[in-house]
Amino acid sequence: DAKTTQPPSMDCAEGRAANLPCNHSTISGNEYVYWYRQIHSQGPQYIIHGLKNNETNEMASLIITEDRKSSTLILPHATLRDTAVYYCIVRSHGSGNTGKLIFGQGTTLQVKP
Amino acid sequence: KAGVTQTPRYLIKTRGQQVTLSCSPISGHRSVSWYQQTPGQGLQFLFEYFSETQRNKGNFPGRFSGRQFSNSRSEMNVSTLELGDSALYLCASSLGGSGGKETQYFGPGTRLLVL
Repeated sequence: DAKTTQPPSMDCAEGRAANLPCNHSTISGNEYVYWYRQIHSQGPQYIIHGLKNNETNEMASLIITEDRKSSTLILPHATLRDTAVYYCIVRSHGSGNTGKLIFGQGTTLQVKP
Repeated sequence: KAGVTQTPRYLIKTRGQQVTLSCSPISGHRSVSWYQQTPGQGLQFLFEYFSETQRNKGNFPGRFSGRQFSNSRSEMNVSTLELGDSALYLCASSLGGSGGKETQYFGPGTRLLVL
């Protein structure tokens, strides 16, 4: 699975959009981009994933560049409860990669009042 | 639908002992994966079980083992505990198929302290 690069930390004002970048320049054609977050001492929470099209759900939007070498997770109206470590993970679906997520160090997002 | 549950939530053991942790996946999920999280190494994949068979394995010593039952519940066992095994142990479940059924959902974890 391709490696990802994320900034170690970011701040965001409460009520503003939080834009979390992720670089995955070695991503291959069959690899998906997944985002999880982990609030202190809890299990990681699934946020969203996508292959090449932009995706949106009730939690966030995922914007993937046309060349797929980077992506941005957008939390449209950040709240204090969004303070967490955000992980960007690239993985392929299918045999040999089942059930295995490779976590990097993630981005610690601090939402400030 | 109930989420992934893990028991116990907290555990204290001493070096040399063994420990068994339990994970109940989301109803209908057939794949269970285990992860270890420590401050130094972050989140690391231990192994994955699907239909009672280990399907994928991380880079951990043989002291770490697991199994899955016919109802998809899974247990992991750590024998001869070492101080470095102190960690948050996380379990994640997924449908286990392909074509978008591979999204994993995590439980709250079991925090193990080895003294």
